[in-house]
Amino acid sequence: NAGVMQNPRHLVRRRGQEARLRCSPMKGHSHVYWYRQLPEEGLKFMVYLQKENIIDESGMPKERFSAEFPKEGPSILRIQQVVRGDSAAYFCASSPREGGPLGTDTQYFGPGTRLTVL
Amino acid sequence: AQSVTQPDIHITVSEGASLELRCNYSYGATPYLFWYVQSPGQGLQLLLKYFSGDTLVQGIKGFEAEFKRSQSSFNLRKPSVHWSDAAEYFCAVGMFSGGYNKLIFGAGTRLAVHP
Repeated sequence: NAGVMQNPRHLVRRRGQEARLRCSPMKGHSHVYWYRQLPEEGLKFMVYLQKENIIDESGMPKERFSAEFPKEGPSILRIQQVVRGDSAAYFCASSPREGGPLGTDTQYFGPGTRLTVL
Repeated sequence: AQSVTQPDIHITVSEGASLELRCNYSYGATPYLFWYVQSPGQGLQLLLKYFSGDTLVQGIKGFEAEFKRSQSSFNLRKPSVHWSDAAEYFCAVGMFSGGYNKLIFGAGTRLAVHP
């Protein structure tokens, strides 16, 4: 069973360009989380999605950032008009619906996309 | 507000020595607690997790962690460190609400292992 896949692994953009980050969850997982890791910091929650639904986007910047998880295909994190402060590692995690209390779902992380804005 | 504190930014130990990484959390309800490890350029791998029950939790790679409610701590331990354990370690608390867990991470502890 393949793990969580993210591509590209490294992405370089110039200020003002768009960045698209893709995440394919583990097989059978229908829940996706995006986190951002700034240099020398821990990961910060951005958004939680289920198929075709954004459940919680409380960690997303209000402008320029959007996320989707269509019925078919990977989840996409889109950053429009990137600025230098967007340079970070973006991690995707997925979880299944395991048995037991819902809170016991484990999140499995992908290798991340490292975005550099020039 | 919910938060996770890892007081040690960097730790260096000799191979074969014991290890303890500290983690303190602030969370109003019963916490769901996790330790993840991140090797350079890699994603995060789950070492262990605590939801309820026995407060001493066993994980992969010989790691264990103990939940102490009175101290709001969830410290990670390993009796004998191997060179391959050099990595960054993140403690996290899960904010469970609305049917899902939003993880709050500490800033991480970077572990170096001397031969």
